[in-house]
Amino acid sequence: ETGVTQTPRHLVMGMTNKKSLKCEQHLGHNAMYWYKQSAKKPLELMFVYSLEERVENNSVPSRFSPECPNSSHLFLHLHTLQPEDSALYLCASSQAEIGTEAFFGQGTRLTVV
Amino acid sequence: GEDVEQSLFLSVREGDSSVINCTYTDSSSTYLYWYKQEPGAGLQLLTYIFSNMDMKQDQRLTVLLNKKDKHLSLRIADTQTGDSAIYFCAESTNTGRRALTFGSGTRLQVQP
Repeated sequence: ETGVTQTPRHLVMGMTNKKSLKCEQHLGHNAMYWYKQSAKKPLELMFVYSLEERVENNSVPSRFSPECPNSSHLFLHLHTLQPEDSALYLCASSQAEIGTEAFFGQGTRLTVV
Repeated sequence: GEDVEQSLFLSVREGDSSVINCTYTDSSSTYLYWYKQEPGAGLQLLTYIFSNMDMKQDQRLTVLLNKKDKHLSLRIADTQTGDSAIYFCAESTNTGRRALTFGSGTRLQVQP
């Protein structure tokens, strides 16, 4: 248990569905991240929120839409996804100013059918 | 751009030492990390090292950093079957975003 909780753990959705992934941390961190882990690629950074403000968006398609309503919660809203979006989506949090380790959730295994 | 590379696979016998290697290209890397991922799980931080250090030891884990060659290694002493997992090397720079750049991971298989 790292202190970062992601729900759901598994998600199967059709290409026309809309769903959201949720991440929650109660570690007192002020930076949160979404990463994508595909089968044959290194972990890819998708979005960074620092102090609830999006500070980085790594050219992610608009069918992925992040939301950070407060420093403890992070969402990834999904709509009209493609089969190639099937992956493990990992949330992480850290203390932005200190720059030590990031703590990861267990991930949401997403399958797009 | 930033790039982190690792070999894909390592097989060792139980009780032997494992050494997992990583190279990175960003000379401004400030923090270097080793994460472990077991099947079906997220990433677990094993250890990290600041770029002004060249070695860090934590129980069975030894991290060596050669900053000149941009080479990082993780040595696991007395490797156990429970150490079988994917090990990711990652780096971050001393900027506000603190995001990590990961290698593709090394799958460690420990033979009984």
